[in-house]
Amino acid sequence: TQLLEQSPQFLSIQEGENLTVYCNSSSVFSSLQWYRQEPGEGPVLLVTVVTGGEVKKLKRLTFQFGDARKDSSLHITAAQPGDTGLYLCAGDLSNTGNQFYFGTGTSLTVIP
Amino acid sequence: EPEVTQTPSHQVTQMGQEVILRCVPISNHLYFYWYRQILGQKVEFLVSFYNNEISEKSEIFDDQFSVERPDGSNFTLKIRSTKLEDSAMYFCASSSITGGAGDEQFFGPGTRLTVL
Repeated sequence: TQLLEQSPQFLSIQEGENLTVYCNSSSVFSSLQWYRQEPGEGPVLLVTVVTGGEVKKLKRLTFQFGDARKDSSLHITAAQPGDTGLYLCAGDLSNTGNQFYFGTGTSLTVIP
Repeated sequence: EPEVTQTPSHQVTQMGQEVILRCVPISNHLYFYWYRQILGQKVEFLVSFYNNEISEKSEIFDDQFSVERPDGSNFTLKIRSTKLEDSAMYFCASSSITGGAGDEQFFGPGTRLTVL
């Protein structure tokens, strides 16, 4: 059983298109993080969302935490080839930031 | 910019051997973590560590695994008797002194463990 399900698993789009990646769970998280991982490297944090309903923007990336803190989405506007990578969500089940569980990942390819 | 470092970058070992993976967390961080990622699979939480003791651990972190902070800078993961299925990328991470919800975890580059 996967604690955090991400969809889609693979996504291939043309440069300039918009896309949304979803991270869903039946569990409530005290916080949720989005990472990007390049092959052979560790995940790099993009954003942390803590409050239900919270929306954060990072340039062309918009992150939203669900009102019930069970789900999150990542929306990329006008995707560029440099956005290509593996996007991971990770939720913290504890209130102490000590127990993060990663989602299944979404592999994004942006074609020039 | 401070970063988490891990050594070695690649470790090859025979089944049944003990391995120690080493990490140097960011210097003012007090919360430390180990994760593993089997090739093609998701990142899996193993253990978190604070104040010289395990804070949380997953079901993966059985008696074959142990963690230690032997000095003021290193954080190690020991696998006592490696199995083929232990082959994976092992990531160390650290977070800030508050350890509260929403703390950013900074990941190291990983150690690729190959068990033959």
